[in-house]
Amino acid sequence: DTAVSQTPKYLVTQMGNDKSIKCEQNLGHDTMYWYKQDSKKFLKIMFSYNNKELIINETVPNRFSPKSPDKAHLNLHINSLELGDSAVYFCASSQGGTSGGNTGELFFGEGSRLTVL
Amino acid sequence: DAKTTQPTSMDCAEGRAANLPCNHSTISGNEYVYWYRQIHSQGPQYIIHGLKNNETNEMASLIITEDRKSSTLILPHATLRDTAVYYCIVRSRNNAGNMLTFGGGTRLMVKP
Repeated sequence: DTAVSQTPKYLVTQMGNDKSIKCEQNLGHDTMYWYKQDSKKFLKIMFSYNNKELIINETVPNRFSPKSPDKAHLNLHINSLELGDSAVYFCASSQGGTSGGNTGELFFGEGSRLTVL
Repeated sequence: DAKTTQPTSMDCAEGRAANLPCNHSTISGNEYVYWYRQIHSQGPQYIIHGLKNNETNEMASLIITEDRKSSTLILPHATLRDTAVYYCIVRSRNNAGNMLTFGGGTRLMVKP
């Protein structure tokens, strides 16, 4: 019974295409995130989102946009894919978001490896 | 959030304790110390966190120095499955968006 699940696990596509990665969590958490892990293995936060606010890392190009149909889902849309977008993308969730009471414990999915040719 | 410094890599013999150090000399009073690990090809996994006092759970122990400028994660009996990259992260209680910033981490290799 996977807590945070991402699909697809692997995605190979051409430059210029538009693609989406889906994320779902069944933990009842109110905050979800997207992280990018590049070839050098550094994990970088892209977005933090709950039903009240979206916080965007200012270094993320606006070709990337998170979309949340409901509290349990946060999908990542990428327009006009570039070679440099090739990476592993991790979704995560936590309870509490920016409010008090959150423990800072994030639950991560298994990652989606995106390869742009 | 305060920056952390960790050794790039460490080895540990199977069955022995693995002691992973982390320096966070610029930590401020409301910042917690978190440890996560990432086993190859998997998502990061939460291990433990603390503010001032030492903490222990089923996975590990966290020892924080009295001045809070450094900490040590202890895996009491390392197994081959503990081979992973271990990340020490300092996060403010008021961290907007609860976003964790990961550094380079320590690559721990547990050897038979």
